[in-house]
Amino acid sequence: GESVGLHLPTLSVQEGDNSIINCAYSNSASDYFIWYKQESGKGPQFIIDIRSNMDKRQGQRVTVLLNKTVKHLSLQIAATQPGDSAVYFCAENGGGAQKLVFGQGTRLTINP
Amino acid sequence: GAGVSQSPRYKVAKRGQDVALRCDPISGHVSLFWYQQALGQGPEFLTYFQNEAQLDKSGLPSDRFFAERPEGSVSTLKIQRTQQEDSAVYLCASSFFPQGAGNTIYFGEGSWLTVV
Repeated sequence: GESVGLHLPTLSVQEGDNSIINCAYSNSASDYFIWYKQESGKGPQFIIDIRSNMDKRQGQRVTVLLNKTVKHLSLQIAATQPGDSAVYFCAENGGGAQKLVFGQGTRLTINP
Repeated sequence: GAGVSQSPRYKVAKRGQDVALRCDPISGHVSLFWYQQALGQGPEFLTYFQNEAQLDKSGLPSDRFFAERPEGSVSTLKIQRTQQEDSAVYLCASSFFPQGAGNTIYFGEGSWLTVV
């Protein structure tokens, strides 16, 4: 069935460096993608989203890139800070469906 | 309220016990979702409401799971005769518009259920 997965389960970066978290999706009908951040013991927190008619979107310190040709999504975090430590999930909507399909998640760890 | 509110935050149930989990969505939000998140996994869809109508319940794992939103605001997820495999975090989420419009979905902190 359709699935959204992540290339790496864990990512460790130095404080101040840029982080790139990758995601592959399989449903070519998906037209809306979201990145969520989940800290321990908390619910997923919306970071940034992108629609399929775009290939790049920028927020505060974050950029999402969408490559529909290879069905790949990435989240770039600039100047990573200790507060960025969390599990990051990508999700897609399967082409307008009511439900989001989440990937397994990538744990981002910041080294001082 | 300021965000999606869920209660209880933590629940320990004995196997076979019934539980009820409550969700208060963001005021005015049309869409409400329930997701189940097992330890170390991403959230998985359970059910979706548009106002009081339950339009999709395809993710409910068995007929022991039941959700309602009778007045189109607060929702309750009920699990009957709980089993150990029901242990998970149950996340409620809401969004302003009906789904399909790609609008932002906001999650609550979750209800952590442990069945012993």
